[in-house]
Amino acid sequence: AQSVTQLDSHVSVSEGTPVLLRCNYSSSYSPSLFWYVQHPNKGLQLLLKYTSAATLVKGINGFEAEFKKSETSFHLTKPSAHMSDAAEYFCVVSAPNTGFQKLVFGTGTRLLVSP
Amino acid sequence: NAGVTQTPKFRILKIGQSMTLQCTQDMNHNYMYWYRQDPGMGLKLIYYSVGAGITDKGEVPNGYNVSRSTTEDFPLRLELAAPSQTSVYFCASSVGLHTYQETQYFGPGTRLLVL
Repeated sequence: AQSVTQLDSHVSVSEGTPVLLRCNYSSSYSPSLFWYVQHPNKGLQLLLKYTSAATLVKGINGFEAEFKKSETSFHLTKPSAHMSDAAEYFCVVSAPNTGFQKLVFGTGTRLLVSP
Repeated sequence: NAGVTQTPKFRILKIGQSMTLQCTQDMNHNYMYWYRQDPGMGLKLIYYSVGAGITDKGEVPNGYNVSRSTTEDFPLRLELAAPSQTSVYFCASSVGLHTYQETQYFGPGTRLLVL
């Protein structure tokens, strides 16, 4: 079975400072991992995904994440926060499953960016 | 490409009423999904479809029904609305070739309030 733990429900940063959103996963198989962002009253948008190629994954809007198998982590980072980054972020795990793609979502981390 | 579209954006239902949430995708994707998102939680899978005429239950199917008569459309039916169905509903789609490594594309969501 797969599971995802997002270690912080809220993260507050100042504009221009680094962002770190933490995610640990559990999977019986070699997983695929995703980060999605949800802006207020909007749908989910894919930021980046890991699919067993490079362990450092670069996404949109300057975000990146590193897959660390030994630590079972997939933390999301950005060097410099922008006001427009304020949103809810979901870490998601997917593993081989019969018939369809089963996504397991974390409970989300709300990123607050202050001027 | 409009991607995944959902209607309505918001609806208030009385207990016992029924309604259909509409979902359409124009990407010619084989797989489609319905999720619900409750406050402070990740998304839970309600139903999914791997192609026209083929649907199956997800994690939380009780109180819902689906059909898939075309590749593009995947409506979700609530027959007897209950307060527990107050939630935000997301439709998603994916190509359906590489299963667990694929990206699911999400619609903007339908916010449903049952009173």
